[in-house]
Amino acid sequence: ETGVTQSPTHLIKTRGQQVTLRCSSQSGHNTVSWYQQALGQGPQFIFQYYREEENGRGNFPPRFSGLQFPNYSSELNVNALELDDSALYLCASSPGQGENTEAFFGQGTRLTVV
Amino acid sequence: GQNIDQPTEMTATEGAIVQINCTYQTSGFNGLFWYQQHAGEAPTFLSYNVLDGLEEKGRFSSFLSRSKGYSYLLLKELQMKDSASYLCAVRVYGGATNKLIFGTGTLLAVQP
Repeated sequence: ETGVTQSPTHLIKTRGQQVTLRCSSQSGHNTVSWYQQALGQGPQFIFQYYREEENGRGNFPPRFSGLQFPNYSSELNVNALELDDSALYLCASSPGQGENTEAFFGQGTRLTVV
Repeated sequence: GQNIDQPTEMTATEGAIVQINCTYQTSGFNGLFWYQQHAGEAPTFLSYNVLDGLEEKGRFSSFLSRSKGYSYLLLKELQMKDSASYLCAVRVYGGATNKLIFGTGTLLAVQP
């Protein structure tokens, strides 16, 4: 068991709506990364938070935004949902930025946009 | 650009050995990971290579050649429960970020 928990596990939203996904990182982990995994594809990096600051972003539009809180939990917000946003959203936490830090994944949130 | 290639699907027989290859072209290489992912579940860590050579972990081994941009995952004594998608991921360091670049995954079907 990795200790990374995400909520909710499943979610259905309508196109144009907004959604907030949540992630509790593993104890002692100060770095959280978010990934989007479309069906049949590998996860794609959205962004990363380190000590409450965004410190890296993938090729996703600004309507994808996030937060990290003092306890290192994190939120992913997506505005103006599109059908193509339907995917498994994965949160991964790691204990820092060092070379030998492994990322532990949560179970994911399956988002369906209709 | 960042590019990771691995076969889309493979089939193997229970008890046999299977090798899943991964080639990559990335900038800022900072280690290569293999993850196992069952349908609808999160990826789980299998192995990590940062130096050339073979890393062995029970039934699973992973090999890395940085000069060739090549890795493989070797699964021995295959079991039915090994049927899953296997993801090759390269960690790249850019600016202040360590992030994982994933391949599309290799769907392995283990048959009796």
